[in-house]
Amino acid sequence: GAVVSQHPSRVICKSGTSVKIECRSLDFQATTMFWYRQFPKQSLMLMATSNEGSKATYEQGVEKDKFLINHASLTLSTLTVTSAHPEDSSFYICSARARAGGRWDTQYFGPGTRLTVL
Amino acid sequence: GEDVEQSLFLSVREGDSSVINCTYTDSSSTYLYWYKQEPGAGLQLLTYIFSNMDMKQDQRLTVLLNKKDKHLSLRIADTQTGDSAIYFCAEIGGSQGNLIFGKGTKLSVKP
Repeated sequence: GAVVSQHPSRVICKSGTSVKIECRSLDFQATTMFWYRQFPKQSLMLMATSNEGSKATYEQGVEKDKFLINHASLTLSTLTVTSAHPEDSSFYICSARARAGGRWDTQYFGPGTRLTVL
Repeated sequence: GEDVEQSLFLSVREGDSSVINCTYTDSSSTYLYWYKQEPGAGLQLLTYIFSNMDMKQDQRLTVLLNKKDKHLSLRIADTQTGDSAIYFCAEIGGSQGNLIFGKGTKLSVKP
């Protein structure tokens, strides 16, 4: 299957700092990338949808000024958590959907990034 | 809105079959998915089924779909200790085609 990578896999930072997480599709072009957040023992909740070359669409309750998403190329999307606070500590997972497909194409998930804010 | 429900825990003995159940609400879902998540890891796509199918088999995995009852199940034959993980059922929902996940079923396999 298709491969999606995330970097870093784990990050610990101090409260108030910003953290950037990268999501890359390694062997396919992704017009759409999704960012999910997973709290401990919880399900994945969609944060935002990122389409290449356009602004991200955020889910209700997700602050777009706090979670900055950039999808500058067909293989890379970044999520920047600005002025991170302990309540932002979570597991962030991205997924990518192939360019050639439509709405129903399979999404491939990255391995996730564990963010811990002290 | 869309909602996906799963039981939270399942415990089986090694070698037995495991059946994980899921119900969903969006009758227009075209694809339904099963993902596996091991501790501290991302999601691994196990299998998926198209909505016009009743059953799909892939080696030890069998997916059954009852569209009338909006019920999906995943059967793992000859369950092994390496199958211990959390299994998520998901349907496509939302205007962007994102996935709507259930809360996940934690499968524990006892030797």
